[in-house]
Amino acid sequence: DVKVTQSSRYLVKRTGEKVFLECVQDMDHENMFWYRQDPGLGLRLIYFSYDVKMKEKGDIPEGYSVSREKKERFSLILESASTNQTSMYLCASSFRSGTGTHGYTFGSGTRLTVV
Amino acid sequence: RKEVEQDPGPFNVPEGATVAFNCTYSNSASQSFFWYRQDCRKEPKLLMSVYSSGNEDGRFTAQLNRASQYISLLIRDSKLSDSATYLCVVNPFRHQAGTALIFGKGTTLSVSS
Repeated sequence: DVKVTQSSRYLVKRTGEKVFLECVQDMDHENMFWYRQDPGLGLRLIYFSYDVKMKEKGDIPEGYSVSREKKERFSLILESASTNQTSMYLCASSFRSGTGTHGYTFGSGTRLTVV
Repeated sequence: RKEVEQDPGPFNVPEGATVAFNCTYSNSASQSFFWYRQDCRKEPKLLMSVYSSGNEDGRFTAQLNRASQYISLLIRDSKLSDSATYLCVVNPFRHQAGTALIFGKGTTLSVSS
């Protein structure tokens, strides 16, 4: 079974802190993604990566950065946490989609609260 | 027009009922389609891929109509355990190396006894 592991299930951070969310997958997937999910807004793409050291901005990259130094690990960084970044953060991975027949496998999510 | 649109519901149905969810997508170049299920406070999980010929998995049937840019999910003989949010998901295939899936906001189903 594909496994995507997010480092924390629940996290509480203070405004202005630098926050690292880690995601590791064990199936040699090329693609990795970070989404946030908020009530009424659905899943919104923050960043994704289709190869080591490669990254692409999603729909809402402001206030975030990412790092992919190894194929299995994709980190999301909140440079200076703000209360409007309180959310559920979901990491996902997939095989490279050519004609695109592959869905994602998600991690169990990190529920981040910024106070 | 939003990229992926779903009726948010909620759909409240009794056990045993048949219920159908619809979804429309705006990008006619979209290549592949999925339905995901998400339980409360959990991550989404892949329910079905949607093939152009339509496909069935037990009580679940998914259909695709490319001409109308429309995807459907039919659930027969609803169970209490089917209560969840169902996400319609589209792969817009923007470039070869990798494309992020686009998620609808979901349709909530509540099955009662």
